[in-house]
Amino acid sequence: EVQLVESGGGLVQPGGSLRLSCAASGFTFSSYWMHWVRQAPGKGLVWVSRMNSDGSSTTYADSVKGRFTISRDNAKNTLYLQMNSLRVEDTAVYYCARGPGWGFDNWGQGTLVTVSS
Amino acid sequence: DIVMTQSPDSLAVSLGERATINCKSSQSVLYSSKNKNYLAWYQQKPGQPPKLLIYWASTREFGVPDRFSGSGSGTDFTLTISSLQAEDVAVYYCHQYYSTPYSFGQGTKLEIK
Repeated sequence: EVQLVESGGGLVQPGGSLRLSCAASGFTFSSYWMHWVRQAPGKGLVWVSRMNSDGSSTTYADSVKGRFTISRDNAKNTLYLQMNSLRVEDTAVYYCARGPGWGFDNWGQGTLVTVSS
Repeated sequence: DIVMTQSPDSLAVSLGERATINCKSSQSVLYSSKNKNYLAWYQQKPGQPPKLLIYWASTREFGVPDRFSGSGSGTDFTLTISSLQAEDVAVYYCHQYYSTPYSFGQGTKLEIK
């Protein structure tokens, strides 16, 4: 069974940093593109970032470019999102999702990031 | 950037009746050389992550009931639930994976009338 488990969320002040992790199991992690998608409270889904299977290629939404960094450790079956210079508008549930090439076929339960003073 | 617009924003349908949700993209998501529309539909219930229902605009994900169907091509797409069940109450999102930044519709909230 495919499982994606996010962790690392929490309360942080504006300008602060957090690193999210997504532990994957039940599939060959190193074969898949992986993505981060966020959802502000009561709002819709917003794609944040993606990384290819071997970690050599990354893409970001303009809203996080230069502040967030996606990475992965295929030996540990884990995806990361380093978030710096956090803003109030970054408050959201952050989901990691598997991207087989036709949408996002598996999602984690999400981790809540709250940016507030 | 491709903007996805869903209609309606909310919908109330009687049990057993048909529900139809529309999605329009600001530019075509049809990859002509592959003859595939890079369009997916998700269902999200309260407190849960989204669940993939349909991809390539009309291919049902494994395990999704056949009352869910997708149609359309180019810029106009439809998700149809042929006979609404109580467990279908959720928010539904369309999503284009044709080009980055990937984007989602704003969501359609489906309720029971």
